[in-house]
Amino acid sequence: DIQMTQSPSSLSASVGDRVTITCRASQTISSFLNWYQQKPGKAPKLLISAASSLQGGVPSRFSGSGFGTEFTLTISSLQPEDFATYYCQQSYSSLSFGQGTKLEIK
Amino acid sequence: QVQLRESGPGLVKPSETLSLTCTVSGGSINSYYWSWIRQPPGKGLEWIGYIYYSGSTNYNPSLKSRVTISVDTSKNQFSLKLTSVTAADTAVYYCARGYYDLGYWGQGTLVTVSS
Repeated sequence: DIQMTQSPSSLSASVGDRVTITCRASQTISSFLNWYQQKPGKAPKLLISAASSLQGGVPSRFSGSGFGTEFTLTISSLQPEDFATYYCQQSYSSLSFGQGTKLEIK
Repeated sequence: QVQLRESGPGLVKPSETLSLTCTVSGGSINSYYWSWIRQPPGKGLEWIGYIYYSGSTNYNPSLKSRVTISVDTSKNQFSLKLTSVTAADTAVYYCARGYYDLGYWGQGTLVTVSS
């Protein structure tokens, strides 16, 4: 099984900050890495697929990068609606999710 | 716009079988993968398994012995059965379209395991 580890598990930041979340895979997963945003009481929303492909309607302040075992999600300038929990997910071998990163307002 | 909706009992007794159905509207179930994911209260996401519209399946190894996912293309539905449930299976259960990425999700349904 492929284990996905996100860091940090939680993060406090202010509106306008640049934020980076890291996701590491226990073995290489090429670019089979997706990022989701989840708000309380809601289903996750796909933000980025294939490590760096921004989904339609997702603001351009979100970006993803990485290959192999290390990946990052960057939010270039935090907006109030971005405070949520973010998950990475690999689909190289079955599926598995990271444990999540909770982004909170400082 | 594709929409998914989970349905089924919100309360299941320990040792019994959890059964949920996901109804797909706004698009055909054909030619896609369909997944089940769950989220225990206050915790992260756990993939349960997926089914291709043709019927081939793949399950999370940690749940494989208890899980069955099936599809009914005539009804545009797919279903989840989880046997021998315990309190640890209490979670919000989501259905979603896809496997490589999960682009459409249902709203989720809370299933509580309790006597």
